[in-house]
Amino acid sequence: AQSVTQPDIHITVSEGASLELRCNYSYGATPYLFWYVQSPGQGLQLLLKYFSGDTLVQGIKGFEAEFKRSQSSFNLRKPSVHWSDAAEYFCAVGLKTSYDKVIFGPGTSLSVIP
Amino acid sequence: DVKVTQSSRYLVKRTGEKVFLECVQDMDHENMFWYRQDPGLGLRLIYFSYDVKMKEKGDIPEGYSVSREKKERFSLILESASTNQTSMYLCASGTSGSQRNEQFFGPGTRLTVL
Repeated sequence: AQSVTQPDIHITVSEGASLELRCNYSYGATPYLFWYVQSPGQGLQLLLKYFSGDTLVQGIKGFEAEFKRSQSSFNLRKPSVHWSDAAEYFCAVGLKTSYDKVIFGPGTSLSVIP
Repeated sequence: DVKVTQSSRYLVKRTGEKVFLECVQDMDHENMFWYRQDPGLGLRLIYFSYDVKMKEKGDIPEGYSVSREKKERFSLILESASTNQTSMYLCASGTSGSQRNEQFFGPGTRLTVL
């Protein structure tokens, strides 16, 4: 069955430090891949997406992610975290089915220490 | 900008009440989705619709129904609310075109069933 794993439930980093959030998926083909961010009390906002081509994708707010087919991973990175990055981050896999379903990971909560 | 709106940000209902959650999108998207979000579980798909008057069950449809009479509007109905339906409900819309699987989210409705 298809699934998305985010091994880290909660991460705390200092402001200015680098960040990497992990995401692994299980799917029989190369899926479409997404990272979303959710600020407290808000809906989800798309950070970046991978459909095909270059495996390193750039997103908004200085985030990037790298697709590694051999590891079934799509990790999110940011070189220098800002206090406003504190939020919940969701990795998602888009299934190549006729109904465009998306499976979301359980989320990683990020706290930023000033 | 794509805008997805939900009728209420917060809602408190009593057990057994019939509850309507409304979602409207303004981007002429074919696909619309209802998720519930619970801590540690990520987003779970309740129902989705790929066209007017069409609906498909998601992963957790029990206790819910939906209605899509117009392309821009997708309603989630709790026929008889129960306490285990206390949750955050998120609506999303998306297109089946070149950016398939990409979903745009509303701000969410936090429902409490007493």
